[in-house]
Amino acid sequence: NAGVTQTPKFQVLKTGQSMTLQCAQDMNHNSMYWYRQDPGMGLRLIYYSASEGTTDKGEVPNGYNVSRLNKREFSLRLESAAPSQTSVYFCASSEYTGVNTEAFFGQGTRLTVV
Amino acid sequence: AQSVTQPDIHITVSEGASLELRCNYSYGATPYLFWYVQSPGQGLQLLLKYFSGDTLVQGIKGFEAEFKRSQSSFNLRKPSVHWSDAAEYFCAVGAYDYKLSFGAGTTVTVRA
Repeated sequence: NAGVTQTPKFQVLKTGQSMTLQCAQDMNHNSMYWYRQDPGMGLRLIYYSASEGTTDKGEVPNGYNVSRLNKREFSLRLESAAPSQTSVYFCASSEYTGVNTEAFFGQGTRLTVV
Repeated sequence: AQSVTQPDIHITVSEGASLELRCNYSYGATPYLFWYVQSPGQGLQLLLKYFSGDTLVQGIKGFEAEFKRSQSSFNLRKPSVHWSDAAEYFCAVGAYDYKLSFGAGTTVTVRA
């Protein structure tokens, strides 16, 4: 029972480089999310996908793009990385989007932009 | 917009002692509240959740939380802390637009 799997676990980028963070879930969930975690700020929502084929902006979408490739996979792309994007990124999924639904989290990707 | 405040950034507690973590929320409608725990290097794990009904909610690992509407609070408690409870704890509120809003977190250190 893998749950939510994120790759890579660690990444160092130079300013201006691009990369894609991968996320896959095996729970047949409809909804998926990308959060970033910064010290003293908790988790902030970057983008989410309520269902396959839809994506919406969250609280801090600037500098990111997402793709809901299929029901299982939801990727986050940094087109031109900036030091301000140094953070820990978490992918999550839930059965559906609803205030009373539980989200399951991956183990995170620690990204450093130098 | 909804928000969550966790007043305590860091708490140190002795093993076997009780623990209480504070959480205050701001939300105009009926809140849906969650507590998550994050162990070092791990993702977040749900401890417990409140949707409606009994205001005292039992969770995993011996944790409980009490919802107090009059105080806009959802404090987490554990009667006797174990060394394995050392972690970061996040309170979250579910918003009308289905997005979870998280507090900044409270780090718990357990001393022997």
